[in-house]
Amino acid sequence: GQQVMQIPQYQHVQEGEDFTTYCNSSTTLSNIQWYKQRPGGHPVFLIQLVKSGEVKKQKRLTFQFGEAKKNSSLHITATQTTDVGTYFCAGVISNFGNEKLTFGTGTRLTIIP
Amino acid sequence: EPEVTQTPSHQVTQMGQEVILRCVPISNHLYFYWYRQILGQKVEFLVSFYNNEISEKSEIFDDQFSVERPDGSNFTLKIRSTKLEDSAMYFCASYMRYEQFFGPGTRLTVL
Repeated sequence: GQQVMQIPQYQHVQEGEDFTTYCNSSTTLSNIQWYKQRPGGHPVFLIQLVKSGEVKKQKRLTFQFGEAKKNSSLHITATQTTDVGTYFCAGVISNFGNEKLTFGTGTRLTIIP
Repeated sequence: EPEVTQTPSHQVTQMGQEVILRCVPISNHLYFYWYRQILGQKVEFLVSFYNNEISEKSEIFDDQFSVERPDGSNFTLKIRSTKLEDSAMYFCASYMRYEQFFGPGTRLTVL
C-alpha cells in the first residue's frame, strides 16, 4: 500500500533558526496537503499543492511539490515559539472526489527560546 | 466559522464493550471521514463515507467497526467489541473542495 515518510522525526531549533521537513511518497500523488497539529490538538489544514514543481508561500512558510509529484517539503524561516507542533504531510490519490489522506509520519518541531 | 464537533471528548471503556463515537460534520459538506491516531504516532485513515455509504475503508476498519449517518447531521463510528489496541484518539473530518476539516477528537481508552 501507499506509504508516506517524513524526515526528520524530531527537530529542535533555536528560536529564529530555520526549519525544514521533507516528505516522500512511495507512489505518485494527485496532490499533497500539509497539516499542523499542536500538542494535544487536532490536525489543521495548512495548504494543498497540486501541480508538479509547485511552490507556495504563506508568510514565513514555503511549501514545495516535487517534479515527479512524489515528494514535498515545508520550510519555515526564522522560527517562532508559535511554530511548535507536529507537521504532517498527507498524500492524496483522488478517487472521484473521495480524497483519502495518507498521512506522513510527521516531524515534531520544538523551539528553544 | 463552521466547525466539526465530536462527542465525547474522552471515553473510557472496558475491553469487549461497545462504544459509539459521535461527530457532527460541517453542514454542507458531503464527504466524511474517520481517522485514528495512536498516542505519539501518525494519523491513520479508517473510512470515508459519501452519499450514505462507505466509499473506502482501510485494513484497520474490520468487522468490529461500522459507521452510520443516522440523521442529517450526525456521523457515528461504532466499535462493537473494543480491544486494548483500539485505545487512540479518533478524529472525524469533513471535506469540502480540497480541505479536510478535523474535529477536536475523542480520546478512547480501553482498559
